[in-house]
Amino acid sequence: DAGVTQSPTHLIKTRGQQVTLRCSPKSGHDTVSWYQQALGQGPQFIFQYYEEEERQRGNFPDRFSGHQFPNYSSELNVNALLLGDSALYLCASIRRFDLAKNIQYFGAGTRLSVL
Amino acid sequence: AQTVTQSQPEMSVQEAETVTLSCTYDTSESDYYLFWYKQPPSRQMILVIRQEAYKQQNATENRFSVNFQKAAKSFSLKISDSQLGDAAMYFCAYQGAQKLVFGQGTRLTINP
Repeated sequence: DAGVTQSPTHLIKTRGQQVTLRCSPKSGHDTVSWYQQALGQGPQFIFQYYEEEERQRGNFPDRFSGHQFPNYSSELNVNALLLGDSALYLCASIRRFDLAKNIQYFGAGTRLSVL
Repeated sequence: AQTVTQSQPEMSVQEAETVTLSCTYDTSESDYYLFWYKQPPSRQMILVIRQEAYKQQNATENRFSVNFQKAAKSFSLKISDSQLGDAAMYFCAYQGAQKLVFGQGTRLTINP
């Protein structure tokens, strides 16, 4: 049973560029959340998707957008990259039916470096 | 807004000893969950233990247990018989009606 998988593992971009990160949820999960974890900090919630729509959003600018596909996989897009966007981006998944138990499973993340 | 505070940036313990990591949180909600996650160098966030706020009994998972003080809004993690594999960043997290909120983390070192 595959867990949450994220690609790519590492990514280097320059300021002003755009980036797309990908996440495949754990088998049987239909809800995906994205988090940004700056170096030495705890993860911060970006947004959550289910039924192909953004359902909740944290305090992140519109440069951060996402998408969920019919197979429940998800993308995180960041436009006009800033140096401060350098971070580990984590994806977490859960089965919506299990939200009350709220045990999210995390991927290993994508390390984004903006130069 | 809910906040989670971990006041110990770093902790160290001798192998086989016991260590307690502290966490406090602030919320006006009455129904919520609290978690401890472990993040080893591999970066994957692993759930260690979970506590439902409406349950008075402290959660236990093998060598890991919590001391949940709801009135004090305190949620500490005790690791007994520490092992080298326990070395990692530990994050306390809160989940209410909205998003999962994490603390700043505590780096735990195990001394052989």
